[in-house]
Formats: sequence, C-alpha cells, structure tokens
Amino acid sequence: GQSLEQPSEVTAVEGAIVQINCTYQTSGFYGLSWYQQHDGGAPTFLSYNALDGLEETGRFSSFLSRSDSYGYLLLQELQMKDSASYFCAVLRSGGYQKVTFGTGTKLQVIP
Amino acid sequence: DTAVSQTPKYLVTQMGNDKSIKCEQNLGHDTMYWYKQDSKKFLKIMFSYNNKELIINETVPNRFSPKSPDKAHLNLHINSLELGDSAVYFCASSRGANQPQHFGDGTRLSIL
Repeated sequence: GQSLEQPSEVTAVEGAIVQINCTYQTSGFYGLSWYQQHDGGAPTFLSYNALDGLEETGRFSSFLSRSDSYGYLLLQELQMKDSASYFCAVLRSGGYQKVTFGTGTKLQVIP
Repeated sequence: DTAVSQTPKYLVTQMGNDKSIKCEQNLGHDTMYWYKQDSKKFLKIMFSYNNKELIINETVPNRFSPKSPDKAHLNLHINSLELGDSAVYFCASSRGANQPQHFGDGTRLSIL
C-alpha cells in the first residue's frame, strides 16, 4: 500500500524559516507535490519535484530525495499569511498517474 | 475569470436524497478530478477523468457517479445520501495527470 507521513502541526515565528517534512512509502513513485490550503479555502499548488534536489520558488523551496523516500517544504521569511495547512502529495505511475495526499501539516505563524 | 468553478457552494439536504454537484473548468485542461475532504482535513481522491474517460476510480461507493458531458465539465451525482457523506467536495483539473492541479472553491455538503 501507500503511506505518507508529515507532522500534524508546526508553530514558527514571523520572519523565521520553517521546514515541513514528508516521508512516503509507495510503489511506482513518480513525483512529490506540495499544496497550501487556508482554512475554508481550496488547496493551491506550490511546487513539484520529480528529480532529487531542491526546487526554489520565491520564499518557498521544496526538496526531494528519492533514495530516502523523503521530501520537505521550506518556507523562508515567514509571514502571518503563511498560516495554513500544507499537504504533500505523491504521484504514482501505473497507466495514468495516481495521486495520494498526506494528512496535512497545520502551520501557525506567531508574531 | 474563475478557472475551476463548482456549484453549489453549500448543499444542505436530508439523508436518502439524491443530489448533484457541478464543475466546470475554463483552463483547457485534459484531466479533471473529484476529491472528498473530511472533517479531519484528509483529502482523498475519488475520481479522475481524462478526455471524458474514467481513468481512476478509487474505492468509493457506487452511490457516487461522475458524469462528464465534455472535457470542460465533470459533475458528481450522489444517490441515497448518508450521514457519512457530509464533507467538502473539491473539483480540480490539470493539464496532464502529473501536472499541477487547480482546485475549485469546494462544495460543503451537510446531511441532516
């Protein structure tokens, strides 16, 4: 079967850096995505890693290690508006790719 | 201007009823999805359509049936609603199966 693990909650200070980890177990791994969801809102796409290494998009970066079945989302210069839930999602191959979302990490940014 | 729009935004109905949720995307994407998000925020994929063909059918009850009249629309019909169906249902679309997904604002379904 498949499983994804990420911390349920993280608290960080405004202006700081926070890392949200995601470990996965799956067959046919294709890639790892990250989504942000504010309370009452819709998930929005942040980043996608198919290859090992770091992808940077502004204040957000995402890392993948396929050999360790591990990835993380790095948020820099935290702002209050970054308070939200962050989901990692595994894409699996097999005919057409399938996607499984993690249970989400609720990030609270405090002043 | 809305990329992925779904209606209604809120749906309150009684157990046993049949209801539909509509979804439309104007992004020209080839793949559309339906997700269920429960009270614990767990986001589970229910269906995926690519060029009007069902390509993923997760283990959901057959009371749920997706219907796609064309590439831009994927509607969700639910028969004999049960209390456990209460959740937020999200429609999403992507250019391809491994491309970023764009989500609608969700439909909050409450069963009385």
